[in-house]
Amino acid sequence: DSGVTQTPKHLITATGQRVTLRCSPRSGDLSVYWYQQSLDQGLQFLIQYYNGEERAKGNILERFSAQQFPDLHSELNLSSLELGDSALYFCASSAPGLAGGRDEQFFGPGTRLTVL
Amino acid sequence: AQKITQTQPGMFVQEKEAVTLDCTYDTSDPSYGLFWYKQPSSGEMIFLIYQGSYDQQNATEGRYSLNFQKARKSANLVISASQLGDSAMYFCAMRGYTGANSKLTFGKGITLSVRP
Repeated sequence: DSGVTQTPKHLITATGQRVTLRCSPRSGDLSVYWYQQSLDQGLQFLIQYYNGEERAKGNILERFSAQQFPDLHSELNLSSLELGDSALYFCASSAPGLAGGRDEQFFGPGTRLTVL
Repeated sequence: AQKITQTQPGMFVQEKEAVTLDCTYDTSDPSYGLFWYKQPSSGEMIFLIYQGSYDQQNATEGRYSLNFQKARKSANLVISASQLGDSAMYFCAMRGYTGANSKLTFGKGITLSVRP
């Protein structure tokens, strides 16, 4: 158990709908990262938040948005869903930078999204 | 830009033997970190080992060691004394520490199957 929690574990929805994925980082971790894993694209970084502020952005579609709340949990909102959005969505967290830059990311169990 | 290359399509190893999983990388960052993650069939991403670009010695974590050859830009994972539970997908990843390269970039992964 990494200490990162994600809900829900599975989500099945229809095209055009909107869903919210939730993530709670490990206790003490300030950074939250979102990744999408699909068969054709592999593991892709979407977005990072650090202590409530957006820190880095990756291949995140405009239909997707995220935020990190004062209690450090994060939500990823996916709207106008398409069949191609079906994927495993991971949240990861890391501690503030340690000496030498070691800041491994600990991943949650993922949310498997199926768009029908 | 960062790039991770994992070209081995699938690996097989006999239980109790050692196996090497290959990873090459490319980056323009002078300082970076290299990571290996394991993804069993259950889907979670498990952190295995970290190597900093300025670390003088190869990283070791239990049965996992990283064969880091900076000049060749390779970071191969060595698993000693393979166990049946090592059967999984293995991902090599890297991150720089400046700007857009501060995110984790993953390779496509290698499937490892351990035979009894």
